[in-house]
Amino acid sequence: ETGVTQSPTHLIKTRGQQVTLRCSSQSGHNTVSWYQQALGQGPQFIFQYYREEENGRGNFPPRFSGLQFPNYSSELNVNALELDDSALYLCASSPQGNYGYTFGSGTRLTVV
Amino acid sequence: KNEVEQSPQNLTAQEGEFITINCSYSVGISALHWLQQHPGGGIVSLFMLSSGKKKHGRLIATINIQEKHSSLHITASHPRDSAVYICAVSGPDKLIFGTGTRLQVFP
Repeated sequence: ETGVTQSPTHLIKTRGQQVTLRCSSQSGHNTVSWYQQALGQGPQFIFQYYREEENGRGNFPPRFSGLQFPNYSSELNVNALELDDSALYLCASSPQGNYGYTFGSGTRLTVV
Repeated sequence: KNEVEQSPQNLTAQEGEFITINCSYSVGISALHWLQQHPGGGIVSLFMLSSGKKKHGRLIATINIQEKHSSLHITASHPRDSAVYICAVSGPDKLIFGTGTRLQVFP
């Protein structure tokens, strides 16, 4: 088992730019979820992918989009970055659905 | 009102003390998770519970499904236990997180 790996670990972007964050899921896990954690807050659900299809979405605007690939790795894309998008972005994979999560270490995004 | 509430928000303790962190939730769940987050952000899953009690080393987690309440206990606390402890519940289609309890254990 390799665990969940996220890249990059840290990133600084300018307001209005676009960013892509990456997550490789744990071996055997076909479900990936993404979360946004603002400073001092608990993580908030962005969306979940199951077998390459979006399978649930939180209260985030359409400029937050994602992909899951045949190997179950995933990307989170954010367009037209805003200052409030500065946060820690966490990825978690699970064997199926909503059970047995393994978390990545996160990508800390700073928008200036 | 948040669907997952934790208390206390902040906790300080002396090394060796017994620590309890509480979590209450208001939604139907399939499981409850206790997570540990160190400075820098990485989250480690400590427990996943759907009933009863689990123990791992100095950590004990309990859940009462009828009362929609869970507790995380740390026995003989140590400075390396200092972290944010987060309760999360597996809802119908996603994890719902509490805001966390920041624990500091002093020597």
